[in-house]
Amino acid sequence: GAGVSQTPSNKVTEKGKYVELRCDPISGHTALYWYRQSLGQGPEFLIYFQGTGAADDSGLPNDRFFAVRPEGSVSTLKIQRTERGDSAMYLCASSLSGRAAGELFFGEGSRLTVL
Amino acid sequence: QKEVEQNSGPLSVPEGAIASLNCTYSDRGSQSFFWYRQYSGKSPELIMSIYSNGDKEDGRFTAQLNKASQYVSLLIRDSQPSDSATYLCAVSSGSARQLTFGSGTQLTVLP
Repeated sequence: GAGVSQTPSNKVTEKGKYVELRCDPISGHTALYWYRQSLGQGPEFLIYFQGTGAADDSGLPNDRFFAVRPEGSVSTLKIQRTERGDSAMYLCASSLSGRAAGELFFGEGSRLTVL
Repeated sequence: QKEVEQNSGPLSVPEGAIASLNCTYSDRGSQSFFWYRQYSGKSPELIMSIYSNGDKEDGRFTAQLNKASQYVSLLIRDSQPSDSATYLCAVSSGSARQLTFGSGTQLTVLP
């Protein structure tokens, strides 16, 4: 596709459940990022992939959060034992590896609501 | 803790006026600076990047950077109602690929 694609666009789950959020980056973009945005706040960095490996996962809040990118393209953000505080918009972004950090193309996000 | 501060607004300007958006950052090692625009219910969209002190102009947008004062601003000339959005300042440091975002300034351009 032409842009970053994220699915699902909306996810409602119950506390304690497991969720997966998927991101399909722009074709040819080797760098992929996950950010989380709460209402009224700017996006907060979670994790960055260069190719298949997680180059920086320092933003993951705890070990309930995990992300993979097994073939260097599609990425999945996995959240175990969800908590109400996990409710937010989860944004995926991609960029060309040769471009400066910060020149990102964002997807439309996956809105997660934990009841 | 790296911080990026913005006035949350809302900032209202009449159509045709200059809108001035400001941002300060705490990490003196910051090297790259970005302005993103976010319409309500949409994802952020990059509108300007700036890497060295001074001004950078792109159409109606001018980004200004002063590293000594740890200050970056965005000027929007001839503001249009379609410019009404939240503007996010973002900063990255050194070789780090992650961005630190401010909480954004909500701009309303009144017809």
